[in-house]
Amino acid sequence: QKEVEQNSGPLSVPEGAIASLNCTYSDRGSQSFFWYRQYSGKSPELIMFIYSNGDKEDGRFTAQLNKASQYVSLLIRDSQPSDSATYLCALSGGYQKVTFGTGTKLQVIP
Amino acid sequence: DVKVTQSSRYLVKRTGEKVFLECVQDMDHENMFWYRQDPGLGLRLIYFSYDVKMKEKGDIPEGYSVSREKKERFSLILESASTNQTSMYLCASSPRSSVGTEAFFGQGTRLTVV
Repeated sequence: QKEVEQNSGPLSVPEGAIASLNCTYSDRGSQSFFWYRQYSGKSPELIMFIYSNGDKEDGRFTAQLNKASQYVSLLIRDSQPSDSATYLCALSGGYQKVTFGTGTKLQVIP
Repeated sequence: DVKVTQSSRYLVKRTGEKVFLECVQDMDHENMFWYRQDPGLGLRLIYFSYDVKMKEKGDIPEGYSVSREKKERFSLILESASTNQTSMYLCASSPRSSVGTEAFFGQGTRLTVV
């Protein structure tokens, strides 16, 4: 079983809709969870991080963490064509290593 | 701004050559990482280092080695390049933390082995 699992997509949503991206993980010792956005040909950049169970909101983005179910998600409200990218779920723990999922490609249709 | 700089954006090497990929960060981060990224396989960790002269194998270390003689510099070495090492290589750094922290990435090196 992979440490971090994501649906590769593509996930297509119309402009203005909510995009929901999901990620499951296998290591119960994971403590920190990240969502990175990667535009084609560019490096990943952090958009959200979450440490505690529940929701964390930042503008149009909401990260949700459920450690009991080993599940983390990212909601993008009012999706824009500029949100079209690959979204990478990542996790880390006290051992410093950062592990990434394979990413979900999001397409926002104008 | 955190800056992670990789020495080359594009590189073409011949099979069997010894290849050095260099990475420098200017934020005094303890941790540094080398990943490769391939379509459908995502980011896979090759090696990481949590201190000078310290290194840990990642998920796919075979055919690679690393060097960290100074805190700001982390080098990836392909001892004898092969065509299956054609890939995008990404360096990253992060500060040490008890719970894990954000990784900052360089611009990537697209390596082609012919």
